[in-house]
Amino acid sequence: AQSVTQLGSHVSVSEGALVLLRCNYSSSVPPYLFWYVQYPNQGLQLLLKYTSAATLVKGINGFEAEFKKSETSFHLTKPSAHMSDAAEYFCAVSGGSSASKIIFGSGTRLSIRP
Amino acid sequence: GAVVSQHPSWVICKSGTSVKIECRSLDFQATTMFWYRQFPKQSLMLMATSNEGSKATYEQGVEKDKFLINHASLTLSTLTVTSAHPEDSSFYICSATVPGPQVDEQFFGPGTRLTVL
Repeated sequence: AQSVTQLGSHVSVSEGALVLLRCNYSSSVPPYLFWYVQYPNQGLQLLLKYTSAATLVKGINGFEAEFKKSETSFHLTKPSAHMSDAAEYFCAVSGGSSASKIIFGSGTRLSIRP
Repeated sequence: GAVVSQHPSWVICKSGTSVKIECRSLDFQATTMFWYRQFPKQSLMLMATSNEGSKATYEQGVEKDKFLINHASLTLSTLTVTSAHPEDSSFYICSATVPGPQVDEQFFGPGTRLTVL
């Protein structure tokens, strides 16, 4: 069975500050890991994904995440927050086979203070 | 990237009626589509996996007779909520997969907000 746990349902940072959204995973097989962003009343957009290549993954909009097997973590970071980053962020995991279903975390709402 | 559309974007219906939601992959063919529901301020919960030309695979706890899924072509999957009730009100999101070198990538539709009165 696979699961992801997102620590913190709501994170608030000042504009220009570091963004850190935490995600820990559990998987009995080598995982594929994802971060998605969702703006209000919209679908999900893929920010980045880990597929067992480089452990530091760079995504869109300046976000990146580091896969740490020893810590079973895949935290999302961005050096400097922008107001447009305010959204809901979901960490997700899937199994080793292709076309396998994705299991989502509970989500973290990111707010940006002016 | 690949584009997935959903229709309608929102729908309001009376209790007891049925509602059909369409999910289309606009510029690619998708052998597998997924259907999710999302309650306010909650995560996406997978309802079913839809494969073209075969019966959908439902997740535990999802009533297959209530949520009918048809995947008649490589670009269209439909979800019909039968005899809808207020507790079925939710945000329904579909996704379509594109084969990748290591992992298939899912592209998500914009969602359909269903309100049952």
